[in-house]
Amino acid sequence: GIQVEQSPPDLILQEGANSTLRCNFSDSVNNLQWFHQNPWGQLINLFYIPSGTKQNGRLSATTVATERYSLLYISSSQTTDSGVYFCAVGGVGETSGSRLTFGEGTQLTVNP
Amino acid sequence: DAGITQSPRHKVTETGTPVTLRCHQTENHRYMYWYRQDPGHGLRLIHYSYGVKDTDKGEVSDGYSVSRSKTEDFLLTLESATSSQTSVYFCAIRGGSGLGNEQFFGPGTRLTVL
Repeated sequence: GIQVEQSPPDLILQEGANSTLRCNFSDSVNNLQWFHQNPWGQLINLFYIPSGTKQNGRLSATTVATERYSLLYISSSQTTDSGVYFCAVGGVGETSGSRLTFGEGTQLTVNP
Repeated sequence: DAGITQSPRHKVTETGTPVTLRCHQTENHRYMYWYRQDPGHGLRLIHYSYGVKDTDKGEVSDGYSVSRSKTEDFLLTLESATSSQTSVYFCAIRGGSGLGNEQFFGPGTRLTVL
């Protein structure tokens, strides 16, 4: 099956700093999503981005499907950005496209 | 909010007992999924459904069964719970035509098997 690697595994920032999270995947995808899991365990959809670039406030994401990676940018980080960020992908194909394979996440801690 | 609820939200049970978790959606989505999340890991797919009475296995399906007798409900059953099934279980739906393949997740059920 498709493999997903996220880096770095842990990241500690001071409030106001910028960061870049990376997601590498091993095969062609027709679904790529970024999630934020908050300290209460809730999974929040950030981006649905199988290709291209999107921005939402302080967050933006870019997926280069031909090179099999995606980047999540967080600018001017806030303590509320703390939590785990997951990248999840769905492989090409009618069956495999129905399921998501998750990376192991990046644990982000933003200190005041 | 994709209109997904899970019940119960927390459950403690003993080894060998049967357990059923329920996922309920209100927006008539065709695809529904069950994932589990273990400490320090991402989510892993257990089973999914692509319609009423249509289900298929995911990567960690051993020890689990599912049923979908109506569009809005997707049930996950542990026939005889084991301690290795202690986990947080998430239900998900796949968005409609306007949302493509995007999946949305419920709030999760924390299951402890003693």
